[in-house]
Amino acid sequence: DTAVSQTPKYLVTQMGNDKSIKCEQNLGHDTMYWYKQDSKKFLKIMFSYNNKELIINETVPNRFSPKSPDKAHLNLHINSLELGDSAVYFCASSPFAEGAQYFGPGTRLLVL
Amino acid sequence: GNSVTQMEGPVTLSEEAFLTINCTYTATGYPSLFWYVQYPGEGLQLLLKATKADDKGSNKGFEATYRKETTSFHLEKGSVQVSDSAVYFCALANAGGTSYGKLTFGQGTILTVHP
Repeated sequence: DTAVSQTPKYLVTQMGNDKSIKCEQNLGHDTMYWYKQDSKKFLKIMFSYNNKELIINETVPNRFSPKSPDKAHLNLHINSLELGDSAVYFCASSPFAEGAQYFGPGTRLLVL
Repeated sequence: GNSVTQMEGPVTLSEEAFLTINCTYTATGYPSLFWYVQYPGEGLQLLLKATKADDKGSNKGFEATYRKETTSFHLEKGSVQVSDSAVYFCALANAGGTSYGKLTFGQGTILTVHP
């Protein structure tokens, strides 16, 4: 039973394309997050949702748009992909703010 | 703003050696502190946590104590194994305001343990 799952695991695409990454958690948590990990392993938060409501929106380009259809799902849509978007994207969830966060396996995005 | 600083890696040890990875932080209020571990090709796993000063988090032989006076949360293990080879991240989270529990990570420390 996977707690936090992401699809796809790998994503290779051309510059200018639009792509989506899906995330689902079966832990009953209220809060979900998207993080980006660059090639040097540095992790930075992008977005956070609490009960389908956007809570945190860091300085992320408008090409990135999160969507939460229900509190168990948080998807990430990226328009007009650029080379610099190549990274590993992690979804995470937590039962409440300040609580421990549980991470998905990551989606490795490569933009050519 | 919040920040976390970890000792630079990579750290290379022989099996059964003692491990310390230093972590210091800057934050407002009283954050919760975490250590996460990332094995090759995998996502992050929570290793241990501490939510208030002088708390000690422990798991799988790893320990870290929340030291408010030195703003530190150093990770230690008495005897490392080859299977401990991974990237270790120190992180903090604040509740309330615009933080709403977002994790601020250190830069990660790569640990390699040789037989």
